Amino acid sequence: QQQVKQSPQSLIVQKGGIPIINCAYENTAFDYFPWYQQFPGKGPALLIAIRPDVSEKKEGRFTISFNKSAKQFSLHIMDSQPGDSATYFCAASNASNTGKLIFGQGTTLQVKP
Amino acid sequence: ETGVTQTPRHLVMGMTNKKSLKCEQHLGHNAMYWYKQSAKKPLELMFVYNFKEQTENNSVPSRFSPECPNSSHLFLHLHTLQPEDSALYLCASSRAGQNTGELFFGEGSRLTVL
Repeated sequence: QQQVKQSPQSLIVQKGGIPIINCAYENTAFDYFPWYQQFPGKGPALLIAIRPDVSEKKEGRFTISFNKSAKQFSLHIMDSQPGDSATYFCAASNASNTGKLIFGQGTTLQVKP
Repeated sequence: ETGVTQTPRHLVMGMTNKKSLKCEQHLGHNAMYWYKQSAKKPLELMFVYNFKEQTENNSVPSRFSPECPNSSHLFLHLHTLQPEDSALYLCASSRAGQNTGELFFGEGSRLTVL
């Protein structure tokens, strides 16, 4: 019940495309859903996050869509650029486990010029 | 530069060696974490420290021994490791007590056990 399942494992898109990464969770106590971005040789860095009281959040070209009833959330990258090529991790946590993030398996995104 | 510095960046050790990983954060945070990152697997939480006190040990084998002397420093002491322990070990920090889950990660220590 603590798992967060992420798909696909890898993704290749052309520049300008809209890659979509999906995550699903089981624990209904989760109330915070961040996405982290990791470039080779670097640690993960927070990209965008959402709480279950909203169904969508946008920050620049990045959008999280959240479906509470389905216990799913996804990351959309609009007008993707080669610089977006990285590994993306979804995660989940709840207030009773402050800072204890449960991560998905990661998606390696390649954006071709 | 995330404000979390890990050393060494790369470490190769034999199964009988003893070594330590070091993490230092300059963000004024009070919570620090060790995560293990293996290929094709989710990041695995190992240990959590809040205000220098260990609050989480995620069933980590005793050959990994953490130490948190103060809120800015975190160590992971390694001894009698196995080849399957080869991975990227990530340190992270956050404000203790927050419920946003925002972690600030270092760049990791790449460990190879021969």
